[in-house]
Amino acid sequence: AQKITQTQPGMFVQEKEAVTLDCTYDTSDPSYGLFWYKQPSSGEMIFLIYQGSYDQQNATEGRYSLNFQKARKSANLVISASQLGDSAMYFCAMREEPRGGSQGNLIFGKGTKLSVKP
Amino acid sequence: EAQVTQNPRYLITVTGKKLTVTCSQNMNHEYMSWYRQDPGLGLRQIYYSMNVEVTDKGDVPEGYKVSRKEKRNFPLILESPSPNQTSLYFCASSSGQGKSSYEQYFGPGTRLTVT
Repeated sequence: AQKITQTQPGMFVQEKEAVTLDCTYDTSDPSYGLFWYKQPSSGEMIFLIYQGSYDQQNATEGRYSLNFQKARKSANLVISASQLGDSAMYFCAMREEPRGGSQGNLIFGKGTKLSVKP
Repeated sequence: EAQVTQNPRYLITVTGKKLTVTCSQNMNHEYMSWYRQDPGLGLRQIYYSMNVEVTDKGDVPEGYKVSRKEKRNFPLILESPSPNQTSLYFCASSSGQGKSSYEQYFGPGTRLTVT
């Protein structure tokens, strides 16, 4: 069965510093996708970054990068140069993506609350 | 503008009074789903739909019903709401196949309180 684990309920980071949010996953499917979402206090879910299990390079989107270590089954989110607006809940998620088939369900971790200190 | 809309955004109701939360997307997406979010539990999938007239249970389907008569709409029905269904509900959609489907578009959320 699929499982996503985020072991950090809360994190603090100083403004302008980098921070890593941990995510480990478990799946028996060789083809899958990994996602990070941001949820600010206003409540909406904002897609940040995606990594496919067969992608050779780590995904990057602006200040966000995904440190994908397939053998360790980890997909940590790295936020560089933290800003006050980065304070939010962050969710790691995964879904199975069989090649040539339709996507599976998106399974979420319990989230990490990031607080950026000025 | 590509979007997923949900209505109502906020709802307070009483135990046993049937309610429907609507969800609509304007992106011609095949895949739609409903999640509930509770503190400390993250998002858990209630139901999903691969296409019109195709629905299936997620991880926490008890007490909920859905229908997919049209591609754009995916309403969530609570026939007899109970206080343990007090939660924040999200509808989401995506194109369903291929790498371009990786982004799920989420609605703004519906905060439901059942007293």
